[in-house]
Amino acid sequence: DQQVKQNSPSLSVQEGRISILNCDYTNSMFDYFLWYKKYPAEGPTFLISISSIKDKNEDGRFTVFLNKSAKHLSLHIVPSQPGDSAVYFCAASNTGNQFYFGTGTSLTVIP
Amino acid sequence: NAGVTQTPKFRILKIGQSMTLQCTQDMNHNYMYWYRQDPGMGLKLIYYSVGAGITDKGEVPNGYNVSRSTTEDFPLRLELAAPSQTSVYFCASSALGEQFFGPGTRLTVL
Repeated sequence: DQQVKQNSPSLSVQEGRISILNCDYTNSMFDYFLWYKKYPAEGPTFLISISSIKDKNEDGRFTVFLNKSAKHLSLHIVPSQPGDSAVYFCAASNTGNQFYFGTGTSLTVIP
Repeated sequence: NAGVTQTPKFRILKIGQSMTLQCTQDMNHNYMYWYRQDPGMGLKLIYYSVGAGITDKGEVPNGYNVSRSTTEDFPLRLELAAPSQTSVYFCASSALGEQFFGPGTRLTVL
């Protein structure tokens, strides 16, 4: 039972444009959400997070939006750069102990 | 400050063999985790620990065991390896919130 879903396995964007990665979840008890970035042959690295008490969090080029009523979050990358090409995972937690990950979206930024 | 280290990086096991995947963190984090990632899938939690001496099952614990005798180390034991355990294994640690991941161990069971 996949509680966190990323329905787009891949996304291609031109350099300089906006990348929007989407994530849906089913468990309304989730209260903390994170995005991770993963390069091949490396472990995931933390990118940005958001608590359920907020609907937006911004860090430089990265912004995460949370829509609790729709159980949906998205990651916006503006402007996209070739170095952003990686697999992006969203994750969710309801206890702070266990994290549930989506299946990932492979982003390719075309120069 | 090495962060989270995992050994070995690669391993091939025969069916029925056993092995221990090592994980060490030097950030004094209380929380540690083991995940597996199968091709095209997200990370699935195998076991986690909230502190030395305390471990708990995640989503997919069958076929694995863990121990947490120190804050730094969180080894994952595979007993009687099966082809279904072919995967990439990631160890992670956290204080609370974001997790720091190791580079992974690629395990193949033939």
